[in-house]
Amino acid sequence: GAGVSQTPSNKVTEKGKYVELRCDPISGHTALYWYRQSLGQGPEFLIYFQGTGAADDSGLPNDRFFAVRPEGSVSTLKIQRTERGDSAVYLCASSLTGGLNTEAFFGQGTRLTVV
Amino acid sequence: TQLLEQSPQFLSIQEGENLTVYCNSSSVFSSLQWYRQEPGEGPVLLVTVVTGGEVKKLKRLTFQFGDARKDSSLHITAAQPGDTGLYLCAGDSGNNRKLIWGLGTSLAVNP
Repeated sequence: GAGVSQTPSNKVTEKGKYVELRCDPISGHTALYWYRQSLGQGPEFLIYFQGTGAADDSGLPNDRFFAVRPEGSVSTLKIQRTERGDSAVYLCASSLTGGLNTEAFFGQGTRLTVV
Repeated sequence: TQLLEQSPQFLSIQEGENLTVYCNSSSVFSSLQWYRQEPGEGPVLLVTVVTGGEVKKLKRLTFQFGDARKDSSLHITAAQPGDTGLYLCAGDSGNNRKLIWGLGTSLAVNP
């Protein structure tokens, strides 16, 4: 596709359940980022992939959060034992190389609501 | 810990007015980016400033990077209702593009 695509656009889940959020980056982009954004706040960095490997996962809040990018394209953010505090918009972005000053393009986000 | 402080947090103005949004930090950034975000959408890049003292113009928007590369401003001339949105600044420390984000300025331009 022409842009970064995230699915689902909305996800409501019960506390304690497992969820997967998917990101399809722009074709050919080697760098992929996951961010979390709460209402009225700026995005909060979660994890950065360069190719298939997680180059920086220091933003993942705890071990309930995990992300993969097995073939260097599509990425899945996985959240185990969801908590109400996990409710937020999860944004994915990709850039061509991830190098300094390369533009990152964002998807529209997945709004996760944990009830 | 690197932080970016944006001000004001909220701004409501009338069409045709001018405004300035500020982004300040005690840390030096290799570059700083400004984004605009509309409800239900991801942030969209407006500009990247790299050189201390740099000024970039995008139609009615003027972006400035401080000489010490610690702060930046966004000035909008003759604001229009279409400028309404959340304006975010993000600093790049050069560390694998782990952007440091401000909390945003929510701008409402009333017709």
